Amino acid sequence: DQQVKQNSPSLSVQEGRISILNCDYTNSMFDYFLWYKKYPAEGPTFLISISSIKDKNEDGRFTVFLNKSAKHLSLHIVPSQPGDSAVYFCAASQGGSEKLVFGKGMKLTVNP
Amino acid sequence: GAGVSQSPRYKVAKRGQDVALRCDPISGHVSLFWYQQALGQGPEFLTYFQNEAQLDKSGLPSDRFFAERPEGSVSTLKIQRTQQEDSAVYLCASSFLGDGSYEQYFGPGTRLTVT
Repeated sequence: DQQVKQNSPSLSVQEGRISILNCDYTNSMFDYFLWYKKYPAEGPTFLISISSIKDKNEDGRFTVFLNKSAKHLSLHIVPSQPGDSAVYFCAASQGGSEKLVFGKGMKLTVNP
Repeated sequence: GAGVSQSPRYKVAKRGQDVALRCDPISGHVSLFWYQQALGQGPEFLTYFQNEAQLDKSGLPSDRFFAERPEGSVSTLKIQRTQQEDSAVYLCASSFLGDGSYEQYFGPGTRLTVT
């Protein structure tokens, strides 16, 4: 039973436009959420996170939105750049536990 | 500074062989995690150490899997009598406990192929 779901396997956008990556979760005990980016043959790299006490966190071109009532979060990248092309993973953590529960990932392609 | 390193990067084992995968965390990081990533899937938690104490091993798929971190730094994941279903990328991550974030820093992984 997948507790963190990334239902779209891939997304293709034009350079300069907005990329919106979605993630849903089922465990209402999750209270911290993270986005990781992964290039081939490398480990995941942390991008941005959000605590459940917030509904938005912004870092440069990256913004994460959290809708707790819908158990949904999204990552917005604007403007998108070709170097953003990678697989993006949504992850969640439950209070008191440091282990992360990951989604399956979504491949983003940004076309020049 | 140096990130998390893992060795070997690639390992091919014949079914039934034992393998040992090494992880060197970031210096000073208290927490260390092992994840298994199958093809087309996200990383799945295997086990977690705080210093040398293994606090959670609920994700280890069978008793063929064993992890240790005897001095609270380097960790080894050992898989005995490897099976084909063990083929995956094994990721190690570390974090600095107590900084208020759950951010984990990942190594490049060890790709294990069991033939």
